[in-house]
Amino acid sequence: GAGVSQSPSNKVTEKGKDVELRCDPISGHTALYWYRQSLGQGLEFLIYFQGNSAPDKSGLPSDRFSAERTGGSVSTLTIQRTQQEDSAVYLCASSPTLNSPLHFGNGTRLTVT
Amino acid sequence: DAKTTQPPSMDCAEGRAANLPCNHSTISGNEYVYWYRQIHSQGPQYIIHGLKNNETNEMASLIITEDRKSSTLILPHATLRDTAVYYCIVRVVDSSYKLIFGSGTRLLVRP
Repeated sequence: GAGVSQSPSNKVTEKGKDVELRCDPISGHTALYWYRQSLGQGLEFLIYFQGNSAPDKSGLPSDRFSAERTGGSVSTLTIQRTQQEDSAVYLCASSPTLNSPLHFGNGTRLTVT
Repeated sequence: DAKTTQPPSMDCAEGRAANLPCNHSTISGNEYVYWYRQIHSQGPQYIIHGLKNNETNEMASLIITEDRKSSTLILPHATLRDTAVYYCIVRVVDSSYKLIFGSGTRLLVRP
């Protein structure tokens, strides 16, 4: 079946611009996660959605970052006034329940020039 | 969640078994051991997980020591497509959804 889909796969933007990254989780998965991976680094947790509960935003690095999940399905990660240090691969994952393994998309590579 | 320690890199010959070690000496009784791998330019892929018994699936085997302070992921017949970074993670199920990824082990499978 279809896996987690992220778009765009690559995004180049100028410093100061806003960007939106999209994640389509696997159908029926109630949990959705965003992670960030800088070049040569491990994964950094950003935000977690579970059903209709309030999201855990504790990993968002600044107030320029926000995310929403509409209808319990598609999620959008928004970065306002992008900075060069925001350049990274942004990965989305979903899982059917809290205890299930995560299924990751292939990420969006963001480059801020 | 407990911290894990893995060697930064390993290599093995194609067709041979790849044995990837992981130390998690501070693991708690309710923490599971998870393994993921990340092939270049792809998102991480779940491989296997276990609590205290050894586990096997179509991808790999997981051997956990009796004291649970270390584990080994075994790829029985490594192929070139198994070249990836392998992450060992410990996670408290039912209370922690934030997978904490360390640096992992970069496995190179040689032809």
